Amino acid sequence: SQTIHQWPATLVQPVGSPLSLECTVEGTSNPNLYWYRQAAGRGLQLLFYSVGIGQISSEVPQNLSASRPQDRQFILSSKKLLLSDSGFYLCAGQRGLTYGYTFGSGTRLTVV
Amino acid sequence: QKEVEQNSGPLSVPEGAIASLNCTYSDRGSQSFFWYRQYSGKSPELIMFIYSNGDKEDGRFTAQLNKASQYVSLLIRDSQPSDSATYLCAVRDGFQKLVFGTGTRLLVSP
Repeated sequence: SQTIHQWPATLVQPVGSPLSLECTVEGTSNPNLYWYRQAAGRGLQLLFYSVGIGQISSEVPQNLSASRPQDRQFILSSKKLLLSDSGFYLCAGQRGLTYGYTFGSGTRLTVV
Repeated sequence: QKEVEQNSGPLSVPEGAIASLNCTYSDRGSQSFFWYRQYSGKSPELIMFIYSNGDKEDGRFTAQLNKASQYVSLLIRDSQPSDSATYLCAVRDGFQKLVFGTGTRLLVSP
């Protein structure tokens, strides 16, 4: 089975500070990986996805970026956080077309 | 952009009743459909998936798919207070992505 590890669970950052959220995958090789954001009381917004090392697709223009330096590692970054970047960030993995996503436990980011 | 529509709710049902959650989707060519449960403050967890027209049962959960009507539903029998959560419908978009609805909040009262 596939396990998605995310940390930290909560994060409070000042406006203008940098951000780095890491996601690692256990139990699967070459998974598709995804970063989602969920604003309070809202649906899941797909930010980035990756089908392999170094391959990143961006869904929404914004001040965030993503990287996949290793097969089982997916990183979400920002050079300068905005108040609107607050939300619940979820990493997800897909281990095959017949399966849905497995989500990590998420990081709740508050930008102050 | 494919769309997935859900009533935001809340859907309130008494304990022991059947909860019926509905979802419609815009792409007639969609083939794979998923239901996730998300407790408040937690990440979504997959509870059902369905690919073929008709019903698929797993314990107290039944997923129903009608591709002609572009409609997928989730029935929860013998609803329990622990079923109170937001239920997300998702539809596969191509080979790589899932498109999620905004979710229906279910409240099961004792």
